[in-house]
Amino acid sequence: AQKVTQAQTEISVVEKEDVTLDCVYETRDTTYYLFWYKQPPSGELVFLIRRNSFDEQNEISGRYSWNFQKSTSSFNFTITASQVVDSAVYFCALSAPNSGYSTLTFGKGTMLLVSP
Amino acid sequence: EADIYQTPRYLVIGTGKKITLECSQTMGHDKMYWYQQDPGMELHLIHYSYGVNSTEKGDLSSESTVSRIRTEHFPLTLESARPSHTSQYLCASSESREFYNEQFFGPGTRLTVL
Repeated sequence: AQKVTQAQTEISVVEKEDVTLDCVYETRDTTYYLFWYKQPPSGELVFLIRRNSFDEQNEISGRYSWNFQKSTSSFNFTITASQVVDSAVYFCALSAPNSGYSTLTFGKGTMLLVSP
Repeated sequence: EADIYQTPRYLVIGTGKKITLECSQTMGHDKMYWYQQDPGMELHLIHYSYGVNSTEKGDLSSESTVSRIRTEHFPLTLESARPSHTSQYLCASSESREFYNEQFFGPGTRLTVL
């Protein structure tokens, strides 16, 4: 069975603070893909990043960075110098052969509130 | 850029009404999905489709039904709406040739049943 856990339900920070969103996953498969999506107040989910299980390099994109550690089954997301526009719900998700790669297993989401 | 559309964006209806939520995509994706998102944010997969004339039930039991007569179109129907159906409904699609199943999402339909 696959599972994605986002233990932080809600995080509040003040603008310019750094914030890390945690994601822990479970799968018996050795090949799998991990994703992060952002859901702003407008409602749609916006794709942020995809990572395959064989690529443990950390990735940085502007103020966003991702730390993938297979040893701890974690795929954490850090926003540096947060801005009000970063306020959204963030979802971590997993795709694996267990589901034929046909569906995504989502975490319950973390709501990030960035105040001015 | 993803081109997936949902109509209506907002809908308020009375109990017992039949409704259809529309979802269309212009990317030629084979796979399409419907998610129900509860007020607590959690996403629940309720239906998906691998292609034309293919539909499957998702993880969460739903009283809704879907059809896939055309590749680009994946409507969801509630025969008799109830207050318990009040939720946000999100449609998504993905390219079947992509091994990793990156899904593109529509803007959602926020349904309120009175």
